[in-house]
Amino acid sequence: DAKTTQPNSMESNEEEPVHLPCNHSTISGTDYIHWYRQLPSQGPEYVIHGLTSNVNNRMASLAIAEDRKSSTLILHRATLRDAAVYYCIRFQGAQKLVFGQGTRLTINP
Amino acid sequence: DTEVTQTPKHLVMGMTNKKSLKCEQHMGHRAMYWYKQKAKKPPELMFVYSYEKLSINESVPSRFSPECPNSSLLNLHLHALQPEDSALYLCASSRTAGSPFFGPGTRLTVL
Repeated sequence: DAKTTQPNSMESNEEEPVHLPCNHSTISGTDYIHWYRQLPSQGPEYVIHGLTSNVNNRMASLAIAEDRKSSTLILHRATLRDAAVYYCIRFQGAQKLVFGQGTRLTINP
Repeated sequence: DTEVTQTPKHLVMGMTNKKSLKCEQHMGHRAMYWYKQKAKKPPELMFVYSYEKLSINESVPSRFSPECPNSSLLNLHLHALQPEDSALYLCASSRTAGSPFFGPGTRLTVL
């Protein structure tokens, strides 16, 4: 199965870090790990992606396990605007981005 | 211009109607996508166009007919839809090996 495994929901407090886990135990060596998020009533928004090493950008950090069977998206300081469904996706190439069920993140003020 | 636009934002149609959804991007992307998203579910891939040619069709019923008239435009023609086809239809585009950018979607209701 090409899909990933994520917790259905997570909750955190504003201004605290958030660690969103993802399991992709059957990932192949050439699959990239992508993270998207979807705010209510909007299309999915690209967050970050990586292959083997940890990645940082202005939105988040991506920590990839050495065996690549799991990864963690890190939001360093959550705000209310980060409340969304977060999708961890194995990008299988050939433009086939297949979404799993995602994690619904709630941020408490 | 770094966005994907979709029109209309909302569409209500009857089961005998013919309508079209439109998607446009001016980022020079040569891959374009249609996804369907039911309420509280993840997006599901329907079609992928690469260099204006259909490269992936995820066994979508023929009442959905995609068209890519040029590198900036993507249409989805709808005919004889069923109420269960009501959903958010998302368009996306990307460089041929890049991460897709998504539009805001068209919310379709079939009566």
